[in-house]
Amino acid sequence: EIVLTQSPATLSLSPGERATLSCRASQSVSSYLAWYQQKPGQAPRLLIYDASNRATGIPARFSGSGSGTDFTLTISSLEPEDFAVYYCQQRSNWPSSDFGGGTKVEIK
Amino acid sequence: QVQLVQSGAEVKKPGASVKVSCKASGYTFTSYGISWVRQAPGQGLEWMGWISAYNGNTNYAQKLQGRVTMTTDTSTSTAYMELRSLRSDDTAVYYCARDPPGSGWQDYWGQGTLVTVSS
Repeated sequence: EIVLTQSPATLSLSPGERATLSCRASQSVSSYLAWYQQKPGQAPRLLIYDASNRATGIPARFSGSGSGTDFTLTISSLEPEDFAVYYCQQRSNWPSSDFGGGTKVEIK
Repeated sequence: QVQLVQSGAEVKKPGASVKVSCKASGYTFTSYGISWVRQAPGQGLEWMGWISAYNGNTNYAQKLQGRVTMTTDTSTSTAYMELRSLRSDDTAVYYCARDPPGSGWQDYWGQGTLVTVSS
């Protein structure tokens, strides 16, 4: 099992600010990392796959970077609809996979 | 449009089994895989396993090995997840999601099915 550690657990920011979320893997996952957004009562939504590729329909303010063990999701300027929980997921040992514990982005 | 529609909420007693269905539409079912992910109340996401809708190959999370079975019915474009010997900590929302071939990512998700295990 590959352990994904997300930090911080909670990020308190205001609309318009930049959000930087971290995901660290217990061993290298190459670029096999994705990011998901989940709002209360909804299913997760794929944002970024293969570390830096935006999924279909995802706004350009979302970007992903990193490789190996350290990854970052950046939201360049927070919109009101971006306040949610974000999860990273690795698939380097597919068809096995693991999720991180999540980062909640809340309104300050 | 791609849709995954799951079966309704279930209440089960400890030791029982549950079978959740996931009916796909809007795409060629056998060209994609289906992953199952669960989420306990107030907790994070837990990957449960994956099935190829093309050939039925499966891979399950180690902690669920022996209790979970994933199957598909290609004639109805439906995936199923059965979990046996239910315990209270199996109480969760269970999601199915589509996996593009070879990707390992989940690009479309069902609406979720709440399974409550309680005596």
